[in-house]
Amino acid sequence: KAGVTQTPRYLIKTRGQQVTLSCSPISGHRSVSWYQQTPGQGLQFLFEYFSETQRNKGNFPGRFSGRQFSNSRSEMNVSTLELGDSALYLCASSLEVVSHEQYFGPGTRLTVT
Amino acid sequence: AQSVAQPEDQVNVAEGNPLTVKCTYSVSGNPYLFWYVQYPNRGLQFLLKYITGDNLVKGSYGFEAEFNKSQTSFHLKKPSALVSDSALYFCAVRDPNQAGTALIFGKGTTLSVSS
Repeated sequence: KAGVTQTPRYLIKTRGQQVTLSCSPISGHRSVSWYQQTPGQGLQFLFEYFSETQRNKGNFPGRFSGRQFSNSRSEMNVSTLELGDSALYLCASSLEVVSHEQYFGPGTRLTVT
Repeated sequence: AQSVAQPEDQVNVAEGNPLTVKCTYSVSGNPYLFWYVQYPNRGLQFLLKYITGDNLVKGSYGFEAEFNKSQTSFHLKKPSALVSDSALYFCAVRDPNQAGTALIFGKGTTLSVSS
């Protein structure tokens, strides 16, 4: 079974621009979560989607948004990029069972200059 | 609020020696606990989880973890460390009483195994 895939793997953007990251979950997984990883803050939960609906949201500004499509693929968007948005963005998928573990993609490394 | 603490930023052990990476949590009720490992420039890999049952759970690559409810801890252990175990380790928790599958992570512990 193919793992979680994320595109692109690397991205360089300028302050003020916007960016869209994509995630394809493991086949059969309908829950997709997004995390931001930085050296200072560690791994922080952004949001979770299930059946095209946002189920949970972390403590991030409204510039961070996401969506999920009917095939469970998900995108996240960051508008008006700031230098502090430079991070590794990780997507994870899981079965819709609360005891099930999440499986992570390789991440998208976003650099904002 | 849920939280996870990994009190050590770095753990250093010699190859062949036992290793322990510590984790404590704060969740009301009975939590679901997870360990993940991250190698440089890679995503997180699932190692093991505690849901219920035996307090000692076994996972991938020879790792195991012991759940201690009275001490609210879930320490990761391995009897004999390998150089290839050197990586960043994350403990995570999920409150089963809340909807969703999102995880709350600790800050991470860098494990360095010397030959």
